[in-house]
Amino acid sequence: IAGITQAPTSQILAAGRRMTLRCTQDMRHNAMYWYRQDLGLGLRLIHYSNTAGTTGKGEVPDGYSVSRANTDDFPLTLASAVPSQTSVYFCASSDGYTQYFGPGTRLTVL
Amino acid sequence: AQKITQTQPGMFVQEKEAVTLDCTYDTSDPSYGLFWYKQPSSGEMIFLIYQGSYDQQNATEGRYSLNFQKARKSANLVISASQLGDSAMYFCAMRDRPYSGAGSYQLTFGKGTKLSVIP
Repeated sequence: IAGITQAPTSQILAAGRRMTLRCTQDMRHNAMYWYRQDLGLGLRLIHYSNTAGTTGKGEVPDGYSVSRANTDDFPLTLASAVPSQTSVYFCASSDGYTQYFGPGTRLTVL
Repeated sequence: AQKITQTQPGMFVQEKEAVTLDCTYDTSDPSYGLFWYKQPSSGEMIFLIYQGSYDQQNATEGRYSLNFQKARKSANLVISASQLGDSAMYFCAMRDRPYSGAGSYQLTFGKGTKLSVIP
């Protein structure tokens, strides 16, 4: 059982480019989340999804979009990347009680 | 708004000793949950332990226990018999009111405590 996988592991991106971070879970959890982690700020929620077909905004949604076409996949898209989006991005899923995290994607926007 | 405070940016502990990592929280919701996660230098977030607000006993998971003092709104993590592999960042987090729909909820994180275990 893989749990949650994220791709890519790391990426360097030019400002203004479009980028999609992928997240797949095999635990059949309904709820999924995207967080960013920045030094000194902890983890902050970007977007979440209660179940396939629904999404919602978290604490820091600006500049990001998500979709949830099925239970397993929850991609995060940066339409036009900016340097302030340099961060480590974590995808998570939950069984209603505990959130389980993927390994993270380290994104650098230059 | 819900809030988690971890007042210890960094802690040192001697190998095989016990250590307590502090966490206080603030919420007006009577139903909530408290979590601790470990983040080693490799970067992944590892779930350690959970305490529900209505749980009568403190949660334990192996060498981890949660010292839950509801009146003080504190949920300290106790690691017994520290090991070198315990060196990591530790995050306290709180779940309270759920988002609408099935199973999702807001998880608010503290800023973390960096634990270093000394041989």
